Amino acid sequence: EAGVAQSPRYKIIEKRQSVAFWCNPISGHATLYWYQQILGQGPKLLIQFQNNGVVDDSQLPKDRFSAERLKGVDSTLKIQPAKLEDSAVYLCASSSLWYGNTIYFGEGSWLTVV
Amino acid sequence: AQTVTQSQPEMSVQEAETVTLSCTYDTSESDYYLFWYKQPPSRQMILVIRQEAYKQQNATENRFSVNFQKAAKSFSLKISDSQLGDAAMYFCAYRSARDQGGSEKLVFGKGTKLTVNP
Repeated sequence: EAGVAQSPRYKIIEKRQSVAFWCNPISGHATLYWYQQILGQGPKLLIQFQNNGVVDDSQLPKDRFSAERLKGVDSTLKIQPAKLEDSAVYLCASSSLWYGNTIYFGEGSWLTVV
Repeated sequence: AQTVTQSQPEMSVQEAETVTLSCTYDTSESDYYLFWYKQPPSRQMILVIRQEAYKQQNATENRFSVNFQKAAKSFSLKISDSQLGDAAMYFCAYRSARDQGGSEKLVFGKGTKLTVNP
């Protein structure tokens, strides 16, 4: 079974530029998460989708971050304009709807803003 | 809101020895899940072990076991017969069994960096 796929793996951009990350969850997983992990910290949830609806985006900086999951499968996370403090690893994860299910993570997309 | 605390930023262990990583959490809920994830330099989060709060028996997975103390809100990870490949960041995480609005997010601690010395 294929795991959670993310791209690009690495991205370096200048501040005020934009960037987009793509995620394809495990086949059949209805729930998709985007986490932000700043160096030296644990991951923090940015947004959670169930199918193509948003369940939790309370910690998403909506003035610069946006995410979509149009067909309930893959998802895109966009940052525009980027700030230096956005430098982090962006982890995508997915899970099935089964009660008490395990959340599986992708390898992450590393962003450096200079 | 739930919080997870890992009080040991770094730990080291000799190969083949045993090490215990600490984790405490704060919650008012009675039904929840606890996890330990391993994160190697590649940054992928790999599930090591999980514990359901309603289960009194401590979870075990091969060389990995937990000491779950629900009243004390403590959830430590014991790694036996440590191997060089165990070197990584280890994160303790909490997840509500049933969040309001359907959010079942993981809340992570800050992590413990484990070094395994040959």
